[in-house]
Amino acid sequence: SYELTQPPSVSVSPGQTARITCSADALPKQYAYWYQQKPGQAPVLVIYKDSERPSGIPERFSGSSSGTTVTLTISGVQAEDEADYYCQSADSSGTYPVVFGGGTKLTVL
Amino acid sequence: QVQLQESGPGLVKPSETLSLTCTVSGGSISSYYWSWIRQPPGKGLEWIGYIYYSGSTNYNPSLKSRVTISVDTSKNQFSLKLSSVTAADTAVYYCARDPGFAVVAATGVTTDYYYGMDVWGQGTTVTVSS
Repeated sequence: SYELTQPPSVSVSPGQTARITCSADALPKQYAYWYQQKPGQAPVLVIYKDSERPSGIPERFSGSSSGTTVTLTISGVQAEDEADYYCQSADSSGTYPVVFGGGTKLTVL
Repeated sequence: QVQLQESGPGLVKPSETLSLTCTVSGGSISSYYWSWIRQPPGKGLEWIGYIYYSGSTNYNPSLKSRVTISVDTSKNQFSLKLSSVTAADTAVYYCARDPGFAVVAATGVTTDYYYGMDVWGQGTTVTVSS
């Protein structure tokens, strides 16, 4: 199997910067995508192709990639950003074209 | 704007086949990738598989032997069948769209280009229990 590794939880105070990482061997060759999921709701795409932001997503959400790790950065965190965040990518062989990370719970203190 | 709506039985007996349909409204299903994703209670997301509008499919290897995804372009719907279900298949099931595309080279090799799942259904809860 192929796995994307995320920290289970990240905590920040309002106005600070939150960074959520996702690590996997194929990330230098495969794009990553990030989703935000609030309780009882469907996930929402917040970053695609490592660093592109869909229309309607606030500018405080950004993505970056370095080697085998991609990072979702939320600048100036607001209370409404408290949610679960999932990365998605693929392996390099095509066996696993869609894989989700285990998810990171972002807590706004 | 495009909207997706899952439908199907909320309760399925063990060993039977789970069947769900996703209806696409506000747009055509005749483009893009259409996925099924599930989320067991209190757990993370698990991709089940997708169908490209042309009919080609790709499944999660861990579920491949039990999964069939099909598309009905005349109804603007795509469907999921998961056979031999157990309690471990209890989950919220989502359908989603990825506005990507596939390119078939002269050699016959297909390369898939994804853009991420930008439209999701609200999800439907399926419980496996006798």
